Amino acid sequence: GAGVSQTPSNKVTEKGKYVELRCDPISGHTALYWYRQSLGQGPEFLIYFQGTGAADDSGLPNDRFFAVRPEGSVSTLKIQRTERGDSAVYLCASSMGHGPKTGELFFGEGSRLTVL
Amino acid sequence: GDSVTQMEGPVTLSEEAFLTINCTYTATGYPSLFWYVQYPGEGLQLLLKATKADDKGSNKGFEATYRKETTSFHLEKGSVQVSDSAVYFCALVGGGADGLTFGKGTHLIIQP
Repeated sequence: GAGVSQTPSNKVTEKGKYVELRCDPISGHTALYWYRQSLGQGPEFLIYFQGTGAADDSGLPNDRFFAVRPEGSVSTLKIQRTERGDSAVYLCASSMGHGPKTGELFFGEGSRLTVL
Repeated sequence: GDSVTQMEGPVTLSEEAFLTINCTYTATGYPSLFWYVQYPGEGLQLLLKATKADDKGSNKGFEATYRKETTSFHLEKGSVQVSDSAVYFCALVGGGADGLTFGKGTHLIIQP
């Protein structure tokens, strides 16, 4: 597809379970970002990849959250031992640039995670 | 840390009305400023940006001017249309940062 694709669009899980969210960026985009948007809030930065490496993971809230991008394209956000407070929309964005100042971010529609 | 404050919504206007959505920020150094828009059922899209003081960003009839003296980046449009109904987010990225800092968003509703 032409845009950023995220799957699943909706995920309902139980507290304590493990969850994976996938992001397929625009072809050729070297930069990839994950954000989290809680109800009534703006998106909150989690992690930024440039190629295969995590250039900045300062936004990850704790060690239950982890993200990978092994081949520099698709990325997976992994959440262990989910908690009800993890319920949010997880947004992925990709870009040609090196950081938001140098390249427009293109966002996917998000994965809505609900932890019961 | 960096922060963005924007007016609470929803903002409801009639078609062809003048629009202002206020945005102020707190940041160290010289941030770049952005407005993003989210139309119903779609992902966030960049609407406009400004990278230094007194720059004006513009797109689709919307404008915003980077005012360093008032730390503001208010979004304006002279005549809104029903198709402008969306959620608008003000955002910034500070020097050396990799992540955007967003405001909470303003839901705009334009009535015919």
